[in-house]
This record gives sequence, structure tokens and C-alpha cells, in this order.
Amino acid sequence: QKEVEQNSGPLSVPEGAIASLNCTYSDRGSQSFFWYRQYSGKSPELIMSIYSNGDKEDGRFTAQLNKASQYVSLLIRDSQPSDSATYLCAVNMPPSSASKIIFGSGTRLSIRP
Amino acid sequence: KAGVTQTPRYLIKTRGQQVTLSCSPISGHRSVSWYQQTPGQGLQFLFEYFSETQRNKGNFPGRFSGRQFSNSRSEMNVSTLELGDSALYLCASTLTVNTEAFFGQGTRLTVV
Repeated sequence: QKEVEQNSGPLSVPEGAIASLNCTYSDRGSQSFFWYRQYSGKSPELIMSIYSNGDKEDGRFTAQLNKASQYVSLLIRDSQPSDSATYLCAVNMPPSSASKIIFGSGTRLSIRP
Repeated sequence: KAGVTQTPRYLIKTRGQQVTLSCSPISGHRSVSWYQQTPGQGLQFLFEYFSETQRNKGNFPGRFSGRQFSNSRSEMNVSTLELGDSALYLCASTLTVNTEAFFGQGTRLTVV
């Protein structure tokens, strides 16, 4: 089992709709969860971080965390063509005394006009 | 505030050579992690350094090594280069444990 799993896509969403991206992780002891966006040929850019169960909203983005189900998701409202990119789910693996952020393989998102 | 700086941006090396990549973290960040990104394998964790000590290591051969200096700048070295080492090497810095990682622009290594 991979430590962090995502559907590779591509996920095609019409402009203005909600894009929903999902991620599961293997280690129950994980405490920190992140979503990154990566455009082709560029380095990953942090979008959201979430540390506790529930929802966290930032503009058009909402991150959701369910530790019991070991599940993290990212919702993008009012999707724009500029949102077309690969979205990487990342989890900081235990022990919490050190940084070891493991990334999923990424979901390619395409926003169609 | 300056971001994470990686040098060089591009490198072309021949099989069997060695290479050293450099990373300067965000000012005040003491943790530096290195990743290899390839189309087939995605972002793979290489190692993490904090206060000049390697705290975590990924599943890579001993040809991959790194170090961190007292000013938090880090270098990674790959010896006896193989064609499969061609990749984008990314450095990320974090302020402390369990916080967000911020990436540099990466070094694109091509081994011929």
C-alpha cells in the first residue's frame, strides 16, 4: 500500500463548476496535511494546509480532513482555466519530531471552457 | 523575504560523473528536504536535514548523499551518475516540524 494515494486523473471539470480532489494516507499517526498545485515545468506551490478534522476554507479552496477515515480532500469552487494543473496531496509522516513529507502521485485537473 | 534558492537550474552530466546541487532555504528555516521528481515515479523523498543532522532518509541508494551547513544551506551529491538519475531535483524548506514546506525552482539534471 502506498503511503499517500491519489487518483491520477485526468479529472475534467467545466469552468465554473466545483472540482473535487481526494487523497488517502496509510499512517494513522500523521498530523499534518497539505495540498500543492504544480503547473507543468514548475515546482510545487502550497495551496492549503490542514491539521485538524473538519473543513478549512481559503477563498475558492476548501480542504477537508477526516482522520478516522484517513482521508483528505480539496474542493475548488468556481473553477477557472487557470486552475488546470496537477494537484499533489502531501502528508507529514510520523514521528512528529521530524519532517518527512510524503507526496501522492498527483491528480491532473483540466478545466474545460 | 527571499524564497528557496536552488543552483544551478540546469545541468547536463555524463554517466559515471558526480554532481553537487545547492539549496539555500528561506531565512529562518532550519529544515531542508530534498526530493527527486520524475514522470514515472512522481515526487520521491530523498532526505531531510535539520541543524546539520540528517533526520530522515528515503529509499535511495548510497550514491545519493547530502549535508547541511551551519547557515542551514544544504547540498546534495550524486556520485557515479546513471541515466535513470535524470530528473528534477527539488529542495524544500520548513520552519519547524509539522509545518508547510516551500519549494525552490528545482535543478533539472540530465545524464547522457
